[in-house]
Amino acid sequence: NAGVTQTPKFQVLKTGQSMTLQCAQDMNHNSMYWYRQDPGMGLRLIYYSASEGTTDKGEVPNGYNVSRLNKREFSLRLESAAPSQTSVYFCASRNSGPYGYTFGSGTRLTVV
Amino acid sequence: QKEVEQNSGPLSVPEGAIASLNCTYSDRGSQSFFWYRQYSGKSPELIMFIYSNGDKEDGRFTAQLNKASQYVSLLIRDSQPSDSATYLCAVDGSSNTGKLIFGQGTTLQVKP
Repeated sequence: NAGVTQTPKFQVLKTGQSMTLQCAQDMNHNSMYWYRQDPGMGLRLIYYSASEGTTDKGEVPNGYNVSRLNKREFSLRLESAAPSQTSVYFCASRNSGPYGYTFGSGTRLTVV
Repeated sequence: QKEVEQNSGPLSVPEGAIASLNCTYSDRGSQSFFWYRQYSGKSPELIMFIYSNGDKEDGRFTAQLNKASQYVSLLIRDSQPSDSATYLCAVDGSSNTGKLIFGQGTTLQVKP
């Protein structure tokens, strides 16, 4: 049981390049989330998908887009990367009920 | 006022002592509360959840919830150096979106 799988684990981009972070879960969870984590800033929600077919903005959506491809997959796209998007990105999923998130292992992104 | 507040620490305790980590939250409608442990360079890992007032014990960990005071805590008994990590408090808000709101985390150092 893989849980939540994120790819890639590490990435270096040049300013202005684009890329897509992939996330897939095999737990049949309804909801999926993208967070970024920066020193001193904690975990900040970028976008989320409460159920298949829906997506909503979180706290820091600017510069990002998402796609809930199906129930398993939720991708995050950076259209034109900026140094301010250097961060560690976590994908998480969750089912309904008093249960918490399961996190992926993270993507460490550096924009130069 | 931040929605979920934690003292960032570091909280330093000697090996074998009780570590007490605290968290306050602002949304009175919050239903479920979670504690995550995050080792440096790793993703957050769920260690406890609680949704009823009172105490919930799991091994060396005890979560305490007081909804009237909007306060949740985590006690770690017989602290070990392997408990050294950042502990994130997360709260399930009342919006039914499934989003968790995270505190910034408390860094715990257990000294041998």
